[in-house]
Amino acid sequence: AQSVSQHNHHVILSEAASLELGCNYSYGGTVNLFWYVQYPGQHLQLLLKYFSGDPLVKGIKGFEAEFIKSKFSFNLRKPSVQWSDTAEYFCADLSGGGADGLTFGKGTHLIIQP
Amino acid sequence: DVKVTQSSRYLVKRTGEKVFLECVQDMDHENMFWYRQDPGLGLRLIYFSYDVKMKEKGDIPEGYSVSREKKERFSLILESASTNQTSMYLCASSFLSGRETQYFGPGTRLLVL
Repeated sequence: AQSVSQHNHHVILSEAASLELGCNYSYGGTVNLFWYVQYPGQHLQLLLKYFSGDPLVKGIKGFEAEFIKSKFSFNLRKPSVQWSDTAEYFCADLSGGGADGLTFGKGTHLIIQP
Repeated sequence: DVKVTQSSRYLVKRTGEKVFLECVQDMDHENMFWYRQDPGLGLRLIYFSYDVKMKEKGDIPEGYSVSREKKERFSLILESASTNQTSMYLCASSFLSGRETQYFGPGTRLLVL
């Protein structure tokens, strides 16, 4: 069955620290990968997505992710986090996930300490 | 801006009641989705629809049904609510291609007593 694994359920960082959130996906076919973010009290929204091409994809708010096919990984990164990055982050995969529905990881709750 | 609205932010229902959750989108999207979000489990797809009167089961359809009579509206129905259906329910919509961004509503937090 399709699955997406996020390695860390809770991460606490200080402002200006670098961030890397891990994501691994299980499906070996066509690649359709997403990172979504849910800020406190707000709707879930798209950070970035990757289908093909340059494996380093840039998203909104200074986030980027690197697709590594050999590792089935799609890790999210940000060089210097801000307090406003406190949120829950979800990795998701389209491939095989109920046709056009997304298969989400369990999420990573990120807390940035000022 | 895309807007996806859900009829209620909070609902409290009793076991055995029939529950309707409504979702409306204003972007003429073909696809609409219902997910439930539970702590530590992420989001799980319940049902989706790619056209009026069309529906497809997601990963956890048991105990739920859906209705899509108009393109902009997608309803989730709990025929007989149970306590294990206490959850946050999120609606989303997108254009037809699965690669399109899904836009989410604010969610309905349902408590079944």
